[in-house]
Amino acid sequence: NAGVTQTPKFRVLKTGQSMTLLCAQDMNHEYMYWYRQDPGMGLRLIHYSVGEGTTAKGEVPDGYNVSRLKKQNFLLGLESAAPSQTSVYFCASSGQPEETQYFGPGTRLLVL
Amino acid sequence: SQKIEQNSEALNIQEGKTATLTCNYTNYSPAYLQWYRQDPGRGPVFLLLIRENEKEKRKERLKVTFDTTLKQSLFHITASQPADSATYLCALREGGFKTIFGAGTRLFVKA
Repeated sequence: NAGVTQTPKFRVLKTGQSMTLLCAQDMNHEYMYWYRQDPGMGLRLIHYSVGEGTTAKGEVPDGYNVSRLKKQNFLLGLESAAPSQTSVYFCASSGQPEETQYFGPGTRLLVL
Repeated sequence: SQKIEQNSEALNIQEGKTATLTCNYTNYSPAYLQWYRQDPGRGPVFLLLIRENEKEKRKERLKVTFDTTLKQSLFHITASQPADSATYLCALREGGFKTIFGAGTRLFVKA
């Protein structure tokens, strides 16, 4: 039982490049979330999903897209990376929206 | 919109003492509030959840209080140990599916 896993762990991009962050969970959770964490700021919700095939915008969705084609996977895409997207990205999942969120180990992204 | 404030200054205490961390919020009356622990380079880990009708919740050496009048939660670690050194995040559900997290307070426990 791995919980929530994220790939890659670390990535360096040049401005304008694209990439996809992968999140996988093996707890059969319906709800999945993508957050970014910046120094001095709390985790901010980028996008979330309430089930397979659904996605919704969070607090800071601009510049990101997501897909939830399979229940266990939640992908976060950056179509044209910008230096402002340098951050640590965390994926989380929960069985119900009011339940505890289980977080992955994070992906550290540096955009030059 | 909802705002959560946690002391941005690190808290330094001696081993064996009680650490007390504060979480203040505005503009909302959450049904519950959560506390998470985050170690450097890792994702947050859930510790405790306290509901609006609960004044206090305990788990081993941890205690959380929730004062909906003051819009404040206090997080206590009794008999603190160096292994308790981490950043502690407060979080509450704003509405729907969105959880708002505080920036966290870093705790250092000296041996």
